[in-house]
Formats: sequence, C-alpha cells, structure tokens
Amino acid sequence: EVQLVQSGAEVKKPGESLKISCKGSGYSFTSYWIGWVRQMPGKGLEWMGIIYPDDSDTRYSPSFQGQVTISADKSISTAYLQWSSLKASDTAMYYCAKRNILTGYSTFDYWGQGTLVTVSS
Amino acid sequence: DIQMTQSPSSLSASVGDRVTITCRASQSISSYLNWYQQKPGKAPKLLIYAASSLQSGVPLRFSGSGSGTDFTLTISSLQPEDFATYYCQQSYSIPRKFGQGTKVEIK
Repeated sequence: EVQLVQSGAEVKKPGESLKISCKGSGYSFTSYWIGWVRQMPGKGLEWMGIIYPDDSDTRYSPSFQGQVTISADKSISTAYLQWSSLKASDTAMYYCAKRNILTGYSTFDYWGQGTLVTVSS
Repeated sequence: DIQMTQSPSSLSASVGDRVTITCRASQSISSYLNWYQQKPGKAPKLLIYAASSLQSGVPLRFSGSGSGTDFTLTISSLQPEDFATYYCQQSYSIPRKFGQGTKVEIK
C-alpha cells in the first residue's frame, strides 16, 4: 500500500527555522517525483515545488523560489520542506504528494496527511 | 505562469442534483487538466486526470470534459458524500497551479 506519512504539527516563532518531512513507503521512492502543496487557513491549494528523489532534481514555483528549500534523502525514502526564517504568513497546512504519470499525464495520485505549521510570536 | 480560474466559487445543491463546475486556463493546456476533491480536514483526492479520465475507484457519477482552455467537472447525481471543495489543476507546465476551488454545499 502506497503511503506518505508526514511529520507532526509545529508551532514556531517568527525568525525560527523549520524542516518538515514526508516519508514514502509501498512504492519505489526514487522513481517518482514528490511535490509540496501549501494550503493557508481557509484558502485554496498552492503548488510549491517538486523533487525527484533519485538525483534531487528540484523545480520550484516562482512564488516559492528562495522562500523554501525542498530536499530528499533517498536512503530513508524521505522528502523535506525547509524554512530558514519563518514568517507569520508561513502559517498553513503543508501537504506532500506523489507525482504519477497516467497515460502520459502528470498527477498527484497519493497525498500525505498534511503538516500544520503555525508561526506566531 | 498559467492561471486557472474556477466558477462558481461556491454552489448549493440538493442530493440527486446534477452539478457542473467549470475551470478556465489562461492559455491552452490541451488536455493537461486534473480535478481533485477535498473534504474538510482531509488531503485532496484525485478524481479525474487528462481532463476526462476517471481515476481508479472514483464513482462513475463523476465525469470531466474539455480541452484547450475550457473544462468542466460534472457530478451526474449528487450524493451526500460529494459535499466538498473541488479543485482543478493544470499539468501542462511548471508551476502546476490549481484553481481557487469550488465549494459544493448542501441546499
């Protein structure tokens, strides 16, 4: 069974750093891109970026480039989303999702349960 | 970036109703269009990919159509478990943006 299990909720202060994780199982982790999606409170889904765990090739949305870092450790089948200096506006639910190609079309076919990040002084 | 615009932002419907949600891309995306369903407190779930292909396990009352810039998601007979927010997403180019969502509520 394919599973993406994300790390638990975080409460941080502005300016602090943070790294959240997404561990994949039940499939070949190095063969599928993993993406990250932000959902601010009461708002819609925002595509942040995507990483190919086998070689760590990473693509970012221009909106998130320079604001976060996406990485992966294929030895432990885990992808990461990292901030060096959090802002209150980073408060959101963050989802990881497994990219799949279905008949040549890119989708997110499995999703993690989400990690709630709260940034408040 | 390709912008995705959904309409309406919300709608009220009754069980058994036929519901249609539209999604428009700011430029042609061929059939590179996905639809997701999200229930409160849950992760999104893939419903339709390639504009009209039903993901495995998704009920047949869901269907998608369109190509180019205009797409629709149709629920042929709304069921209680279908009350949720629906998002389109283009998979034509990076960033693979989502529409703003359409909330389907109980009338």
